Amino acid sequence: QVQLQESGPGLVKSSGTLSLTCIVSGDSVSSGTYYWTWIRQTPGKGLEWIGRVSHSGRHNYNSSLKTRATISIDTSKNHFSLSLTSVTAADTAIYYCARGLGKYDSGGYYYVYYLDQWGQGTLVTVSS
Amino acid sequence: SFEVTQLPSVSVSPGQTASITCSGNKLGDMYTCWYQQKPGQSPMLVIYQDNIRPSGIPERFSGSTSGHTATLTISDTQAVDEADYFCQGWDSSTGEPVFGGGTKLTVL
Repeated sequence: QVQLQESGPGLVKSSGTLSLTCIVSGDSVSSGTYYWTWIRQTPGKGLEWIGRVSHSGRHNYNSSLKTRATISIDTSKNHFSLSLTSVTAADTAIYYCARGLGKYDSGGYYYVYYLDQWGQGTLVTVSS
Repeated sequence: SFEVTQLPSVSVSPGQTASITCSGNKLGDMYTCWYQQKPGQSPMLVIYQDNIRPSGIPERFSGSTSGHTATLTISDTQAVDEADYFCQGWDSSTGEPVFGGGTKLTVL
């Protein structure tokens, strides 16, 4: 049974850096099948994809966050991490880590992407 | 990037069929998946690649697409199905997923 668990400070000062780690059990982040993903949720903006990292360290980011977000992977510890710099109150949200599958369909034209396992989420509040 | 639109709320009586839609002018060119989120819980995948149910999801959940609209259908809706439902597609022009704003399903 795959489980993901977010950990990190629940309170971050404005202009500081938000750092979270997702510990994975029941699967290996070294597996080439999945992308390891961060998403956040706010009442106002709903679900927002932050970005993903592959087992080889290749990453993709939400274009609106790209300059501030870094996702890294540590295969020796079987976890992956998020760093978000220069945070403001707008970054206050529930942060989820998730396992995602991304591949082209059998015809090779359309991309299939979905998140099949999610962590329980952690609330991060940015304070002034 | 493009947007996908969901109605904020849908109501259904127990035992009836609930239809939750997701619309967007590029939805016909991509696969859609659906997540269920109950209060205080993380989202859970209920449909992927338009119409495939993950293991453990009841058969009363089904998905379909027609034109620019994707639909999640819940047959014989039960009280336990009361939740928020989010659709998600993939924007090939940006290489990013796009989420709908969510629909709150109320089982009256």
